[in-house]
Amino acid sequence: GENVEQHPSTLSVQEGDSAVIKCTYSDSASNYFPWYKQELGKRPQLIIDIRSNVGEKKDQRIAVTLNKTAKHFSLHITETQPEDSAVYFCAAHYGGSQGNLIFGKGTKLSVKP
Amino acid sequence: ETGVTQTPRHLVMGMTNKKSLKCEQHLGHNAMYWYKQSAKKPLELMFVYSLEERVENNSVPSRFSPECPNSSHLFLHLHTLQPEDSALYLCASSQEDSITGELFFGEGSRLTVL
Repeated sequence: GENVEQHPSTLSVQEGDSAVIKCTYSDSASNYFPWYKQELGKRPQLIIDIRSNVGEKKDQRIAVTLNKTAKHFSLHITETQPEDSAVYFCAAHYGGSQGNLIFGKGTKLSVKP
Repeated sequence: ETGVTQTPRHLVMGMTNKKSLKCEQHLGHNAMYWYKQSAKKPLELMFVYSLEERVENNSVPSRFSPECPNSSHLFLHLHTLQPEDSALYLCASSQEDSITGELFFGEGSRLTVL
């Protein structure tokens, strides 16, 4: 079945450094890839997404890249700040309803001041 | 502040109890979802309701029974659960015909089955 692998499971960086989280997916028909951020005790919130007709999308300090051939996509956070500390989930849409997402297991990012 | 509210936030129940989780969305969306979030496991989609009709049921045990009386409300009825059902249950909503595929999540209901 469909599967999304996410690495690393934990990531610790110094404030101001960059952080990269990588995901691979199995269903070549997937065409929508969102990233959600979940702070401790809070609900997941969409931070950025990308569709398969583009290779890169940027929003201020956050960017996502997509390689459809290799079936992998990555989240890049530059100039990290302590408030970036959270669990980040990647996901791939597998058709039908918008909620038909396969999520990765999450990456716990810690940004040390 | 969230447009999706869930109650209760915490629930402890025995294996023979019957309880319900409630979700309400104030965003005017036409689709609602139940997800299960367990420790060290990915978010798992359980049920999808689009225009108040169930369109997905991802092989969820019958001890979980969803109900969607209207486009703003979603329930998850729980009956004779197992300890392994302990998890955070997240409700989400979206607008199916929108340009964005964004899901709006509630804060979740933390369920503990004893």
